[in-house]
Amino acid sequence: EIVLTQSPGTLSLSPGERATLSCRASQSVAITYLAWYQQKPGQAPRLLLHGASSRATGIPERFSASGSGTDFTLTITRLEPEDFAVYYCQQFGDSRTFGQGTKVEVK
Amino acid sequence: QVQLVQSGAEVKKSGASVKISCKTSGYTFTRYYMHWVRQAPGQGLEWVAKINPDGGATAYPQRLRGRVTMTADTSTSTVFMELSSLTSEDTAVYFCARDAGGTYDTLTGYFEFWGQGSLVTVSS
Repeated sequence: EIVLTQSPGTLSLSPGERATLSCRASQSVAITYLAWYQQKPGQAPRLLLHGASSRATGIPERFSASGSGTDFTLTITRLEPEDFAVYYCQQFGDSRTFGQGTKVEVK
Repeated sequence: QVQLVQSGAEVKKSGASVKISCKTSGYTFTRYYMHWVRQAPGQGLEWVAKINPDGGATAYPQRLRGRVTMTADTSTSTVFMELSSLTSEDTAVYFCARDAGGTYDTLTGYFEFWGQGSLVTVSS
């Protein structure tokens, strides 16, 4: 099973700042088979992107993804108030597994 | 628009089984894989099951194989997940999710639409 490790566990930032979230895989994953989700309290996760910055419907351009091999990054260029949430990476190249999440909180 | 509406909360005793449902609408049911994903209280996400509604072929993670069964009813566009031999570790919110890829696509396995979640509580 491919284990995904996200860091940091919590990211404390202010609105307008740049957020950089990391997702490291225990073995190589093609970025085509990586997705990112956002989850707010009491809600289901929402698909943000898959692959190399293929944004889901309605996802703003401030969200982007990059990486290769075992190291992947989700970047939010300028945090808006609605972006404070928990973010998960997921691989679907070998079964399906999720990272444990990164919480982006207001500093 | 695509909608996934799940059944309500369940409370079960250890050792019992639970069966929850997810009624879909707004798209052709047999054209997309469906999944179940669970989230224990305060924890992350775990994939639980997958089904091809066109034919019923299923897939499960190794750690749940033998205890989980996913089925689909094409007459009502509804999927079900039954989990047996429940323990406290099965206490979680269970989400149904529709795959972003169709059953004839090569890129499948990530989740575009989600149900609202069904809380399953296992008590001893």
